[in-house]
Amino acid sequence: AQSVTQPDIHITVSEGASLELRCNYSYGATPYLFWYVQSPGQGLQLLLKYFSGDTLVQGIKGFEAEFKRSQSSFNLRKPSVHWSDAAEYFCAVAGTDKLIFGTGTRLQVFP
Amino acid sequence: GAGVSQTPSNKVTEKGKYVELRCDPISGHTALYWYRQSLGQGPEFLIYFQGTGAADDSGLPNDRFFAVRPEGSVSTLKIQRTERGDSAVYLCASSAGGLNTEAFFGQGTRLTVV
Repeated sequence: AQSVTQPDIHITVSEGASLELRCNYSYGATPYLFWYVQSPGQGLQLLLKYFSGDTLVQGIKGFEAEFKRSQSSFNLRKPSVHWSDAAEYFCAVAGTDKLIFGTGTRLQVFP
Repeated sequence: GAGVSQTPSNKVTEKGKYVELRCDPISGHTALYWYRQSLGQGPEFLIYFQGTGAADDSGLPNDRFFAVRPEGSVSTLKIQRTERGDSAVYLCASSAGGLNTEAFFGQGTRLTVV
C-alpha cells in the first residue's frame, strides 16, 4: 500500500539557517510526489511537485526538493529560512486517484 | 470566487446530531476531494468525485458518512449520528483534472462534537 513517512514531527531553526525536511514514501510504481505547506488558519498550499524528469524540482517561496529513487525519498530544502516559513509541512504521494499525506512536520523559526 | 470555499468555517454540534458540510469548488474543476484532518495528523482521504459521481469512496469510515455532488459543482458531506471521534477539520479540494493537475484546498470546516 502507498504510504508517506515524515520522521520529524517538529523542527526548530534560526532565521537565515538552512532547512531540510525529510520525506520517505512507499509506492510500487514511479510516484507523483508533492510538498504542501499549511499555515495557521490557512488551507494547504502546494509548494512543489515531482512527476518525472529532472529529480531536483524548484517550487515557490525558494523551496526545492530532490527525488531519490534509491532512497525512496523526496526531501524538501531551503537555503535560508525566513520567519514567515514557520508552518506545518506535508509530503504527499499520489495514489491511483488521491493524495496520500504524511503526518507532517511543524517548523518553528527563531529570530 | 477565486478559490475553494467551505462553509461553515466552524461547527459545534451535540453527539448524535446530523451535520452537513458544504464545499464550493473552483469553477470548472471536475475533480473534488474530501479529506479529514485530526489534530497532529496529516489529511486523511475520505472521498473523490469526478463530475457528479463518486469515483472512490474507500476512505469513508462508516455508513454514517455520505457525500453528494448532484450537479457536478457544489458538494455536501453529510454525517449522521455524530460521535465525539468525528471531531476534526474537514478539508475539501478541487482540481481541473487528475492528480497531474494541482489540487487547490479550502480552509476547512472545523467540526467539534460535544
